[in-house]
Amino acid sequence: EIVMTQSPATLSVSPGERATLSCRASQSVSSNLAWYQQKPGQAPRLLMYDASSRATGIPARFSGSGSGTEFTLTISSLQSEDFAVYYCQQYKNWPRTFGQGTKVEIK
Amino acid sequence: QVQLVQSGAEVKKPGASVKVSCKSSGYTFTAYYMHWVRQAPGQGLEWMGRINPNSGGTNYAQKFQGRVTMTKDTSISTAYMELSSLTSDDTAVYYCARVPYGDGGWLDPWGQGSLVTVSS
Repeated sequence: EIVMTQSPATLSVSPGERATLSCRASQSVSSNLAWYQQKPGQAPRLLMYDASSRATGIPARFSGSGSGTEFTLTISSLQSEDFAVYYCQQYKNWPRTFGQGTKVEIK
Repeated sequence: QVQLVQSGAEVKKPGASVKVSCKSSGYTFTAYYMHWVRQAPGQGLEWMGRINPNSGGTNYAQKFQGRVTMTKDTSISTAYMELSSLTSDDTAVYYCARVPYGDGGWLDPWGQGSLVTVSS
């Protein structure tokens, strides 16, 4: 099984600042990687797919990059609604696996 | 629009089984695989398996083999996930989620989640 490792576990950022989240795969997943945002009490919401494609309705301040084993989600200027937990997920191999999440909190 | 609506919260005793439903609307139910993911309180996301709503074929995570059964009723565009021999470790929110094409890809959209509490 492919292990997905996210860092950091918690990221403290001030509104308006840039946030950079990392996701590493234990073996190559090509570009078969998605990012999800989850707020308390809500289901996860798709942000990015194929590592760098924004899902429908996702603001341009969200961007994704990487391929193979190293991936990054960048939020260029954090808004209040962006404070949440972010998960990466690979869909290259079975079983599908998720990272453990990065919590983005207000500094 | 594509929508997945899940059944309500359940409380079960250890050793019992639970069956969660996921009713689809806004698209052709049989054209897209359905996945199930769970999330224990305060924890991350855990993939459980998926079902082909057309053939009924399934693929389960090894951890749940022998305890999980995913089925479908195409007449009402509904997928089901049944988990047996419940323990307190199965207390979690269970989500259904569709993939965008065939058997591949990311998960979108997701159902609202169904809380299953296992307690004596």
